[in-house]
Amino acid sequence: DSGVTQTPKHLITATGQRVTLRCSPRSGDLSVYWYQQSLDQGLQFLIQYYNGEERAKGNILERFSAQQFPDLHSELNLSSLELGDSALYFCASSPVPTGYTFGSGTRLTVV
Amino acid sequence: GQNIDQPTEMTATEGAIVQINCTYQTSGFNGLFWYQQHAGEAPTFLSYNVLDGLEEKGRFSSFLSRSKGYSYLLLKELQMKDSASYLCAVSLSLGYGGSQGNLIFGKGTKLSVKP
Repeated sequence: DSGVTQTPKHLITATGQRVTLRCSPRSGDLSVYWYQQSLDQGLQFLIQYYNGEERAKGNILERFSAQQFPDLHSELNLSSLELGDSALYFCASSPVPTGYTFGSGTRLTVV
Repeated sequence: GQNIDQPTEMTATEGAIVQINCTYQTSGFNGLFWYQQHAGEAPTFLSYNVLDGLEEKGRFSSFLSRSKGYSYLLLKELQMKDSASYLCAVSLSLGYGGSQGNLIFGKGTKLSVKP
């Protein structure tokens, strides 16, 4: 157990729908990062939050949004889903001074 | 733009040594990371280099040359369980509160270890 908790582990939904992925960072970590990993792509950085505020934005589509709550958990909202959004979505939190600790991911399948 | 290149696939024999190379061209550099990822699982941290040179950690070593934009991961005494993807990632900036900034990942090198 990495200490980063992601739910749900699997999600199957239809095109056009909206889903919410949830992440709880390791205790004491203030930063949360969201990544998307498709079969033919590497880990693509989506967005970073630090202590409730958005800090960096990567290749995140306008249909996607995220937020970090006062208790530091984060949610990634994906709307108007398309087949191409099927991927593994990872959340990571950042301890000091080494790299990320990743959650186990949410596998999203859009049918 | 940011560019991180690593070979797509490599094959090696159990007990051997393998070197996985990574070259990067990024705007900003604050450290280079290597992660291991088994299929369908989360990446796990292997090593971190911020200064030039070799960092050794058991069977795994990582090397960095900032002037050349080059790193490699060296795996010794290969075991079957080392079959996985190895991801090279660059931190572009310092994070907040001492944490790491966002990491940009290469597409990964799939290593197959054969008996």
